[in-house]
Amino acid sequence: AQSVTQLDSQVPVFEEAPVELRCNYSSSVSVYLFWYVQYPNQGLQLLLKYLSGSTLVKGINGFEAEFNKSQTSFHLRKPSVHISDTAEYFCAVSDRGAGNMLTFGGGTRLMVKP
Amino acid sequence: KAGVTQTPRYLIKTRGQQVTLSCSPISGHRSVSWYQQTPGQGLQFLFEYFSETQRNKGNFPGRFSGRQFSNSRSEMNVSTLELGDSALYLCASSLGRGVGNSPLHFGNGTRLTVT
Repeated sequence: AQSVTQLDSQVPVFEEAPVELRCNYSSSVSVYLFWYVQYPNQGLQLLLKYLSGSTLVKGINGFEAEFNKSQTSFHLRKPSVHISDTAEYFCAVSDRGAGNMLTFGGGTRLMVKP
Repeated sequence: KAGVTQTPRYLIKTRGQQVTLSCSPISGHRSVSWYQQTPGQGLQFLFEYFSETQRNKGNFPGRFSGRQFSNSRSEMNVSTLELGDSALYLCASSLGRGVGNSPLHFGNGTRLTVT
């Protein structure tokens, strides 16, 4: 069985500061990894995904993430955050061959302060 | 191109009643998945439909059911509602199966409140 742990439930940060949102997963098979963002009263929007190849993946809105197989981690980073980045961020994993079934972490609320 | 449309946006039901939620996928998408989001349990997979067939099911009781029509539109039904069924129900569509090849596009959800 898979599981995803997002180590921080809330991350406060000042505008223009860098941020890292942490994600660890456990799975016995090869996986795909994703980060989604959710703004209030909205659905989930895909930020980026790791399928294979380069372990550093770049996504929308200036976000990037690095896949570390030995540490089973997929941390999300942004070098300089904006007020508009305030949202809930979810890390998710899917077994290759599991169709469209995603296992999500508990989410991290990013709060960007002026 | 229109996104994933979920109706209604908000629902209030009483314990013991049943409810049907609707999801219209992006045009051309053949796969529809449903997720439940609650503050306590987070985001949990309910089921996935492709070509009118259920392909995957999450760990939910039989009160939760769904179906997909020939035009790929999907409905989910919850019978004998319980207070714990209060949640945001999210629908996601994709071109095909396999999130590696076909990313999921989520709707804005239906917020169900059970009183």
